[in-house]
Amino acid sequence: EAQVTQNPRYLITVTGKKLTVTCSQNMNHEYMSWYRQDPGLGLRQIYYSMNVEVTDKGDVPEGYKVSRKEKRNFPLILESPSPNQTSLYFCASSSTRRTANEKLFFGSGTQLSVL
Amino acid sequence: DQQVKQNSPSLSVQEGRISILNCDYTNSMFDYFLWYKKYPAEGPTFLISISSIKDKNEDGRFTVFLNKSAKHLSLHIVPSQPGDSAVYFCAGSYNFNKFYFGSGTKLNVKP
Repeated sequence: EAQVTQNPRYLITVTGKKLTVTCSQNMNHEYMSWYRQDPGLGLRQIYYSMNVEVTDKGDVPEGYKVSRKEKRNFPLILESPSPNQTSLYFCASSSTRRTANEKLFFGSGTQLSVL
Repeated sequence: DQQVKQNSPSLSVQEGRISILNCDYTNSMFDYFLWYKKYPAEGPTFLISISSIKDKNEDGRFTVFLNKSAKHLSLHIVPSQPGDSAVYFCAGSYNFNKFYFGSGTKLNVKP
């Protein structure tokens, strides 16, 4: 089954304790990206990657890092989490073939609470 | 500054009637638009998209209209069904790398 898998689904941590949220896709997609969803703000793009070893900032990259060492994985790293990073996070992937019906496939989300 | 806005946080419609969800954008460089539906505790799922070279795209009960001069798009759902009750997000993209989402509209379809 084609899917984007994020882990963990729920995470509670404390300020300053480094954490990684993993994202993996099994569709051989070149493009992957991370979003955070906050009430009243919709989904905001954190980072995206057009292919292996190619990453770029989205709208709200501060406090986050990413890496793309393999095509299928795109982990989101919070080196020193702060309470304002408490949010619902989504990973997404897509082909870059630019067909007429290109779309983002989303994971199920990771609810992060930073105390 | 939000480049995509959904000004109606919620919409309530009777089953069988038409649902119209609206979206406005400010970036004239957007060349592709998408609509997503989201249920609680799930990731957004793709509904329908439209390229900026078109003004209408249809898929079953879902039709998206694009008015480039007004920088406005709308999603029509006909007929609306209770299972359509969800939060709907529109998004605009330039070159399919950066995506800008609206804040969402919660649709409630009453039986």
